[in-house]
Amino acid sequence: GAVVSQHPSRVICKSGTSVKIECRSLDFQATTMFWYRQFPKQSLMLMATSNEGSKATYEQGVEKDKFLINHASLTLSTLTVTSAHPEDSSFYICSAQTSGGADEQFFGPGTRLTVL
Amino acid sequence: AQSVTQPDIHITVSEGASLELRCNYSYGATPYLFWYVQSPGQGLQLLLKYFSGDTLVQGIKGFEAEFKRSQSSFNLRKPSVHWSDAAEYFCAVGAGGDYKLSFGAGTTVTVRA
Repeated sequence: GAVVSQHPSRVICKSGTSVKIECRSLDFQATTMFWYRQFPKQSLMLMATSNEGSKATYEQGVEKDKFLINHASLTLSTLTVTSAHPEDSSFYICSAQTSGGADEQFFGPGTRLTVL
Repeated sequence: AQSVTQPDIHITVSEGASLELRCNYSYGATPYLFWYVQSPGQGLQLLLKYFSGDTLVQGIKGFEAEFKRSQSSFNLRKPSVHWSDAAEYFCAVGAGGDYKLSFGAGTTVTVRA
């Protein structure tokens, strides 16, 4: 089946540093990838939509200069949290969508970011 | 814009008992509706989806859901719960050509022996 991986699964960093999270579709090509943020005991909030070869589309209230998204290939999207602060600590989840439509969205296992 | 409400934050059910999780959506047209399950440390797994057609949808792991337009609901059911069903369950609605999903707050299911 369609598998999406994320790396790293867990990262701890100091305040002010930047952290890169990778999202890969392992056995299919993803025309679109989505990045979500999930706070403890809360729902997933869509941060941005990433299409291969074009600029990401950010949801209202998400700082595009802070959360840099790159979708350089059909199997890889990266989220870079720049100048991370403790309030950026969260669970970040990506999903990848094939060209098949709304039902073809597969989720990665998530990355736990802790900023000290 | 579409939205989803899951009224129950936490449900505890005995193993072997039936389970029903509620989901209400808000959207002007016919929505795409999904139920996902999230186990600790794992990604979301699709249980079932509704796009059109038969309003009773069968999914994996013995789950089913019924779309009721008059009630704007898409409740998830399972006749007999197993201990492995303990997890977080999310209802989601998608709409429009961009296939963005809006998620409910989730329902935590605890299964007691």
